[in-house]
Amino acid sequence: GENVEQHPSTLSVQEGDSAVIKCTYSDSASNYFPWYKQELGKRPQLIIDIRSNVGEKKDQRIAVTLNKTAKHFSLHITETQPEDSAVYFCAASNDYKLSFGAGTTVTVRA
Amino acid sequence: NAGVTQTPKFRILKIGQSMTLQCTQDMNHNYMYWYRQDPGMGLKLIYYSVGAGITDKGEVPNGYNVSRSTTEDFPLRLELAAPSQTSVYFCASILDRGLYEQYFGPGTRLTVT
Repeated sequence: GENVEQHPSTLSVQEGDSAVIKCTYSDSASNYFPWYKQELGKRPQLIIDIRSNVGEKKDQRIAVTLNKTAKHFSLHITETQPEDSAVYFCAASNDYKLSFGAGTTVTVRA
Repeated sequence: NAGVTQTPKFRILKIGQSMTLQCTQDMNHNYMYWYRQDPGMGLKLIYYSVGAGITDKGEVPNGYNVSRSTTEDFPLRLELAAPSQTSVYFCASILDRGLYEQYFGPGTRLTVT
């Protein structure tokens, strides 16, 4: 099955700086890569996703890049704000089942 | 639409007890999923269903059972609760394959002591 690895496990950034989270996947057939944000005690919420026919996607301060050859994808958050503090999960899917990374706890310092 | 709903929100079980976690969606989604999330970990797929009457195992199915008699409901059954099943359980759904965004329920926090 698909194996998704996510790094780093924790990330502390100064408010206003950028945060980058990286994921690798094992199944070359995977074609959908979402990122979820989970606040403490809440359900995961989709924040951005990318399909395998696209190399980069941006939505305001959030961007995702995909390198299919290397089988890795990354989340970039610019101009971080305190409300960006949360756990972020990457995932990969080749059909209708998602495989999740272990998560990155992001802390934005004021 | 209420989306995906789960009951109960919290539950404490004694070892060996049984219970059913309820999941309902009102979006007419065909695909439904059960995940567990252990502290500091990602989500692990327990079971999934591609439509009424069809279920299949995920990564961590041992100790659980599911059924899907209607499109709306996808209950998860724990027959003999063990401490290793202490976790947060999330139900999710998608409309159909190719429409990938998974809609999650609010979760059930289960403690087995």
